[in-house]
Amino acid sequence: EPEVTQTPSHQVTQMGQEVILRCVPISNHLYFYWYRQILGQKVEFLVSFYNNEISEKSEIFDDQFSVERPDGSNFTLKIRSTKLEDSAMYFCASGGRGVSGNTIYFGEGSWLTVV
Amino acid sequence: GENVEQHPSTLSVQEGDSAVIKCTYSDSASNYFPWYKQELGKGPQLIIDIRSNVGEKKDQRIAVTLNKTAKHFSLHITETQPEDSAVYFCAAPRPGQFYFGTGTSLTVIP
Repeated sequence: EPEVTQTPSHQVTQMGQEVILRCVPISNHLYFYWYRQILGQKVEFLVSFYNNEISEKSEIFDDQFSVERPDGSNFTLKIRSTKLEDSAMYFCASGGRGVSGNTIYFGEGSWLTVV
Repeated sequence: GENVEQHPSTLSVQEGDSAVIKCTYSDSASNYFPWYKQELGKGPQLIIDIRSNVGEKKDQRIAVTLNKTAKHFSLHITETQPEDSAVYFCAAPRPGQFYFGTGTSLTVIP
């Protein structure tokens, strides 16, 4: 069964460093998402991406964050100048069509620890 | 912004009993309502979903009911088992957005 894969599964980084989290969405999907989950809290929407551009972004997704689909298969989340409060699990998701009326499928997450 | 409220935040039941989790939403245009289960250290997994043209959907021990007039939908788990212990999230997607409820931590006590 097709699945969303994410790398790395866990990354530790120094505060102020840049981090890139990578995702390979399900191959025939067109809509891509990043979510964040701080330990013990809800899954928070960061950004959605379609047709090589951002569709929607939340207030969390500020200038520190960026997304890219560099080669037609990978979907990346870049976090610049990481802060302690960026420590969280980051989930990538993909869907075959727009979210209205259609579900999305999640990867297993990338656990980011900023020290 | 977010448009989904979920409760209870925590729920403990004895094995074999039923569990019910409820979500309310605000956007009357929402027409698709999925439920996800998240086990510790894993990503959310879709367990059941319902579209607005039906009022109830069942899959073995899991069912979802939808009341569009009242704008709420509920997850029902019958004959609960220890492996049902997890965090459950509802969602009421809007175009371009897929926001989750706050989650319900379900504990099934053997």
